[in-house]
Amino acid sequence: DVKVTQSSRYLVKRTGEKVFLECVQDMDHENMFWYRQDPGLGLRLIYFSYDVKMKEKGDIPEGYSVSREKKERFSLILESASTNQTSMYLCASSLDHRAYNSPLHFGNGTRLTVT
Amino acid sequence: AQSVTQLDSQVPVFEEAPVELRCNYSSSVSVYLFWYVQYPNQGLQLLLKYLSGSTLVESINGFEAEFNKSQTSFHLRKPSVHISDTAEYFCAVSNRDDKIIFGKGTRLHILP
Repeated sequence: DVKVTQSSRYLVKRTGEKVFLECVQDMDHENMFWYRQDPGLGLRLIYFSYDVKMKEKGDIPEGYSVSREKKERFSLILESASTNQTSMYLCASSLDHRAYNSPLHFGNGTRLTVT
Repeated sequence: AQSVTQLDSQVPVFEEAPVELRCNYSSSVSVYLFWYVQYPNQGLQLLLKYLSGSTLVESINGFEAEFNKSQTSFHLRKPSVHISDTAEYFCAVSNRDDKIIFGKGTRLHILP
């Protein structure tokens, strides 16, 4: 069974801090994704990666960057956290980058609060 | 461009009653349709999907959804809900251009 693990369930950070959200998957999936989930807005794609050291911007990349140095690990970085980045962050992976061909497997999320 | 509309942000329903969660999509090309479910304090997981063939698709826990091309809908239904169905349900659409688009979600509240 695919497991996607996000290192923290809850995080509280101060405005201006650099924040790292870590995600690890154990099924050798090529593709990894970061979403943020906000009430009434659903899921919005921040960044995704189809391969090691490769990254693509999603729909809302501003204020974020990512790192994929190893296949199993995909990190989301907030260079200077702001209060409008308070949200639930979901990491996902999939075997095939074509959404119709393989489902997304999600982690349990990291709830980030920026004060 | 594709889009997904979930018409209800919250749906309350009594236990053992039927439920329908509505989803409409727009797309200029052939689509693939999905329902994902998010149980409390968990990530999303795939509930069911329509790729091709029979327009009625079923999940292992009694949900079903019907692809209706003329009405551009993919509504999710269950004839009798249980407390354990309490969750947020997301409709999603994709095409051969890879990207998956999620709706804003519908919270299903089961009333005792």
